[in-house]
Amino acid sequence: EVQLVQSGAEVKKPGESLKISCKGSGYTFTDYWVGWVRQMPGKGLEWMGIIYPRDSDTRYSPSFEGQVTISVDKSINTAYLQWSSLKASDSAMYYCARRKQLWTDFDYWGQGTVVTVSS
Amino acid sequence: QSALTQPASVSGSPGQSTTISCNGTSSDIGFYNFVSWYQQHPGKAPKLIIFDVKNRPSGVSNRFSGSKSGNMASLTISGLQAEDEADYYCSSYKNTAIPVIFGGGTKLTVL
Repeated sequence: EVQLVQSGAEVKKPGESLKISCKGSGYTFTDYWVGWVRQMPGKGLEWMGIIYPRDSDTRYSPSFEGQVTISVDKSINTAYLQWSSLKASDSAMYYCARRKQLWTDFDYWGQGTVVTVSS
Repeated sequence: QSALTQPASVSGSPGQSTTISCNGTSSDIGFYNFVSWYQQHPGKAPKLIIFDVKNRPSGVSNRFSGSKSGNMASLTISGLQAEDEADYYCSSYKNTAIPVIFGGGTKLTVL
């Protein structure tokens, strides 16, 4: 069974760093891209970036380039999304999802990670 | 402002059909047949319901259908059921630098 399991909810203060994870199982992790999607409270889906675990080829949305870093550790089938200095506006739900090719759909999604940034 | 334009809300009565539009440009929807649709219930992760414009993943009801004409894609839900009440998002491939664009989402209310 294909699964993407994300790390748990986080509560952080502005200026702190954070790294959340997404672990794939039930498929060959290096055969699929892993993307990250933000959903702010009551708002729509925003694509943040995507990484190919086999070679770490990464693409970022212009809206998020420089604001976050996407990485992967293929030895443990896990992708990461990290911030070096959180802002209150980073408070949101974050989803990871996989896609076979860069141009195809996100066929499986993680359960989401809630990030709350508050002083 | 989202890259793809969807109506904020649509509604329909049980048993009726409803269509959600998704407007893009000649560089995304109009150029590629890589349109997908996602259903999201409150508090849940999105779920793929249509891929490559009109194909349904295994297990998705055939009451959901997709189409495309020019720069506009559409999702039609026939025989509306209470469980169809959710948010729906369209998505398209744009290019290798920006491979994913989403619509702003449409809230479907089943009256």
